[in-house]
Amino acid sequence: DTGVSQNPRHKITKRGQNVTFRCDPISEHNRLYWYRQTLGQGPEFLTYFQNEAQLEKSRLLSDRFSAERPKGSFSTLEIQRTEQGDSAMYLCASTIVPLALGTQYFGPGTRLLVL
Amino acid sequence: DAKTTQPPSMDCAEGRAANLPCNHSTISGNEYVYWYRQIHSQGPQYIIHGLKNNETNEMASLIITEDRKSSTLILPHATLRDTAVYYCIVRVAGTYKYIFGTGTRLKVLA
Repeated sequence: DTGVSQNPRHKITKRGQNVTFRCDPISEHNRLYWYRQTLGQGPEFLTYFQNEAQLEKSRLLSDRFSAERPKGSFSTLEIQRTEQGDSAMYLCASTIVPLALGTQYFGPGTRLLVL
Repeated sequence: DAKTTQPPSMDCAEGRAANLPCNHSTISGNEYVYWYRQIHSQGPQYIIHGLKNNETNEMASLIITEDRKSSTLILPHATLRDTAVYYCIVRVAGTYKYIFGTGTRLKVLA
């Protein structure tokens, strides 16, 4: 399968713990997005990478959230000191075409439950 | 910020055309409109996009009004597998941020 992959698919953690999610984009895609989706809502933009550079972060991304894409390939999203409000689906998407034609290919998501 | 508005839900009989409207009155002049759908709890799937002209591909057709303030996604012969949440999406001009909105939950009825 050459699509976008995300690991783990599900994560249950206790409030206050740190969690890290991984996204492996389609191999030739140099642009990568993270989104968060809560129940009944559409995905909300979190951050954007072009190669290894993080070019935009949403105001939703508090200081407890950090994302990296160290070699311009896979990306990680870390949440420190998790809160119950962090419970959501975290989606990763990648693309390669110029921004105006930025068709995004989404992974299956990581579903986080904070107890 | 750019914003999209869609009806929360629609029903469509199997085999009939499903017409899904979207209002994006704040779209900037050179920004595209994208449509995605999300089945169950999978990641969203790209359907089609357009700028000014109507577009058609193997999945759907996209009709964009002349003033670009709204568009309609058309699934010409809906099947039960088209039951999903459909999102119209625009990018906030000058940023890399895409706005999804709450989408339309389409239910195709046998």
